[in-house]
Amino acid sequence: KNEVEQSPQNLTAQEGEFITINCSYSVGISALHWLQQHPGGGIVSLFMLSSGKKKHGRLIATINIQEKHSSLHITASHPRDSAVYICAVSSGSRLTFGEGTQLTVNP
Amino acid sequence: EAGVAQSPRYKIIEKRQSVAFWCNPISGHATLYWYQQILGQGPKLLIQFQNNGVVDDSQLPKDRFSAERLKGVDSTLKIQPAKLEDSAVYLCASSPRDVRTGELFFGEGSRLTVL
Repeated sequence: KNEVEQSPQNLTAQEGEFITINCSYSVGISALHWLQQHPGGGIVSLFMLSSGKKKHGRLIATINIQEKHSSLHITASHPRDSAVYICAVSSGSRLTFGEGTQLTVNP
Repeated sequence: EAGVAQSPRYKIIEKRQSVAFWCNPISGHATLYWYQQILGQGPKLLIQFQNNGVVDDSQLPKDRFSAERLKGVDSTLKIQPAKLEDSAVYLCASSPRDVRTGELFFGEGSRLTVL
């Protein structure tokens, strides 16, 4: 079992839909990162959080430390949100990545 | 602010040949990471530097991979000799501190194809 599990692996939505991507982890962590990777492009950091909730534009990230679970929400999704979303957890000085969730938003 | 620079963006070599990748992190960032990302998988840490010292290289295949960060600034990752399974994107990232407290900044990656 991977230390970081993401679900779903693939997600297709229609423009305007509310989207949720989940991340569960099995180790004690000091922080959790949500990252976005576009095809052929580099990785962009969306959020780094260790408790509670953060919001940036249409993106919201939440974390429940007791349940070892985090969610990334996208409100009013748009085709330009199509990308791979990766959850990564920092435990000590090491960062462990999930396999990513491929999101496709159709117009 | 300039981002993390990597080169080359693409490289095609035959197995048993050697290859080197270069990374210039964001100015002032103490921590530098090299990750290997195989198609369809999440990135896997190869090596982490704090300034010019190695923090973690436990997943670096040291029989063929080597990395250095001279003067605590830019870094090179070398593979010699390359194998087919080394085909991947090699990502460099930097952070002003470490992943417990610092945000990560990634380069565009270097895509390696080994034939």
